[in-house]
Amino acid sequence: DSGVTQTPKHLITATGQRVTLRCSPRSGDLSVYWYQQSLDQGLQFLIQYYNGEERAKGNILERFSAQQFPDLHSELNLSSLELGDSALYFCASSVGGFKGEKLFFGSGTQLSVL
Amino acid sequence: DAKTTQPPSMDCAEGRAANLPCNHSTISGNEYVYWYRQIHSQGPQYIIHGLKNNETNEMASLIITEDRKSSTLILPHATLRDTAVYYCIVSGRETSGSRLTFGEGTQLTVNP
Repeated sequence: DSGVTQTPKHLITATGQRVTLRCSPRSGDLSVYWYQQSLDQGLQFLIQYYNGEERAKGNILERFSAQQFPDLHSELNLSSLELGDSALYFCASSVGGFKGEKLFFGSGTQLSVL
Repeated sequence: DAKTTQPPSMDCAEGRAANLPCNHSTISGNEYVYWYRQIHSQGPQYIIHGLKNNETNEMASLIITEDRKSSTLILPHATLRDTAVYYCIVSGRETSGSRLTFGEGTQLTVNP
């Protein structure tokens, strides 16, 4: 158990819909990361937050947005969903978001867009 | 982040040491070498990381060459549960900070 909690574990929805994925980082970790893993793209970094502020952005679509709340949990919002958004979405956390730190990953949310 | 090159697949007999190589010839002086593994769609699991010196923990050993252009992850006594995709990642430039860029990794299969 990494200490990072993601909900829900599975999500099935239809094209055009909007969903919210939730992540609770390990106790004491201030930085949260979101990754997407699809069969054809591998593990792709989406976005990183540190203590409520966006720190780094990766290959995140404009239809996707994220935020980190004062209690440090984070949510990833996916809107206008397309079939290609079907993937595993992982959240990770680390202490301070500085180089040399370990990232701890949650067990992921499997999103299926039908 | 510096690019890494890993063999796409390797096999190992149960109980033997698994030695997974990684080339990172463009690594810069302040970049770390990380190893993670992913067991069939589970979240990636941290194994070990290092900067210049060899490292050992309860899971594995990391051997980094003196010029830092390559490294080897050693699982001393592989078990069937070690079957996974192993990712070698170089990270730590000022532009990337702590985030990790995953490549294709090495599929390690431990055989009975």
